[in-house]
Amino acid sequence: NAGVTQTPKFQVLKTGQSMTLQCAQDMNHEYMSWYRQDPGMGLRLIHYSVGAGITDQGEVPNGYNVSRSTTEDFPLRLLSAAPSQTSVYFCASSYNPAGGNEQYFGPGTRLTVT
Amino acid sequence: EDKVVQSPLSLVVHEGDTVTLNCSYEVTNFRSLLWYKQEKKAPTFLFMLTSSGIEKKSGRLSSILDKKELFSILNITATQTGDSAIYLCAVGHVNSGYALNFGKGTSLLVTP
Repeated sequence: NAGVTQTPKFQVLKTGQSMTLQCAQDMNHEYMSWYRQDPGMGLRLIHYSVGAGITDQGEVPNGYNVSRSTTEDFPLRLLSAAPSQTSVYFCASSYNPAGGNEQYFGPGTRLTVT
Repeated sequence: EDKVVQSPLSLVVHEGDTVTLNCSYEVTNFRSLLWYKQEKKAPTFLFMLTSSGIEKKSGRLSSILDKKELFSILNITATQTGDSAIYLCAVGHVNSGYALNFGKGTSLLVTP
């Protein structure tokens, strides 16, 4: 199993550009989430999905869109990049909601918006 | 509003010391509390504590959950330089698809 994979690893955007951060998992996990991490802020939830076709907003959803057309993929779209979206983005998936919330994280995407 | 508060925010100790990291929380529909270790990359899972498992131990690391007082501690004994990392506490609740509320983390530096 590759686990949770994210692409790209690094990205630089200009203000106003759009892009999609890719996330895929091969563990057949129903639950997937996107977080952003800023210095001294921990991880903050952007969007999450409880299964294919179902998504919902987290703590900081503004400026981001998600979709979940398959169990495996959960892309995060930046509609019009802003410098405030400079951050490290982590995708995570979870397999056993009945047993708790253990989540497996991808390696992250470091995004810089100039 | 759900809150997860970690203390201290940073800590410097000498190898061999014992450290205690704290995490307090206010979360509706609590399900579990998790500890992660992060070393310049993705967080890696350490422990999960729930109503049915309020104490966990793995080698030099141990953690307890006090559901009445709404806090958890992570203990690391005989610290090593490889323990230097950010330690993240996260709380999961039922209502958000099992996503997690994270604290800001404790940055631990273990010096030789």
